Amino acid sequence: AQSVTQLDSQVPVFEEAPVELRCNYSSSVSVYLFWYVQYPNQGLQLLLKYLSGSTLVKGINGFEAEFNKSQTSFHLRKPSVHISDTAEYFCAVNGYIFGTGTRLKVLA
Amino acid sequence: GAVVSQHPSRVICKSGTSVKIECRSLDFQATTMFWYRQFPKQSLMLMATSNEGSKATYEQGVEKDKFLINHASLTLSTLTVASAHPEDSSFYICSATERSLGDNEQFFGPGTRLTVL
Repeated sequence: AQSVTQLDSQVPVFEEAPVELRCNYSSSVSVYLFWYVQYPNQGLQLLLKYLSGSTLVKGINGFEAEFNKSQTSFHLRKPSVHISDTAEYFCAVNGYIFGTGTRLKVLA
Repeated sequence: GAVVSQHPSRVICKSGTSVKIECRSLDFQATTMFWYRQFPKQSLMLMATSNEGSKATYEQGVEKDKFLINHASLTLSTLTVASAHPEDSSFYICSATERSLGDNEQFFGPGTRLTVL
């Protein structure tokens, strides 16, 4: 069985501060890992993905994530957030198993 | 990049009517299309997976007679909510994968908000 756990349902952070959104997964097979962003009333946009190779993955909008196999984690980070980063972020494993999402709220 | 469209973006209907939602891959041939349902402030729940020309595979707990999926071509899949009721109100999102991609990456449509009165 495969599952994804996003430990934080909401993360408030001040503008220009760093942020980390946590994601842990469980899978008995090889994994492909994804982070998506969803703005209100919109579909999902791919931020970044890990398929193989380097464990540090860089995505769009300044986001990056690190695959840690021993800790079964794929945490998303950004060194300095903007107001426009306010959205819902979803971690997914193997394409279609999604976490419950983390709402990032960037405060002015 | 690969683009997926959905139509309509929003629909309001009376209880008992059927609603059809279209999902189209605009610039690629979609090997597989997925239909998700998303409740407010919750994650996406996979409803079914459809391959062109074959019957959809439904996830456990999803009524196939209620949510009718047709994948008539490599660029079009439709979801019909039969005899919709207020509890069917939700945000429905489709996605598609392309045959040439072997990494399970999905391209998502913008979603359809269904409100049943």
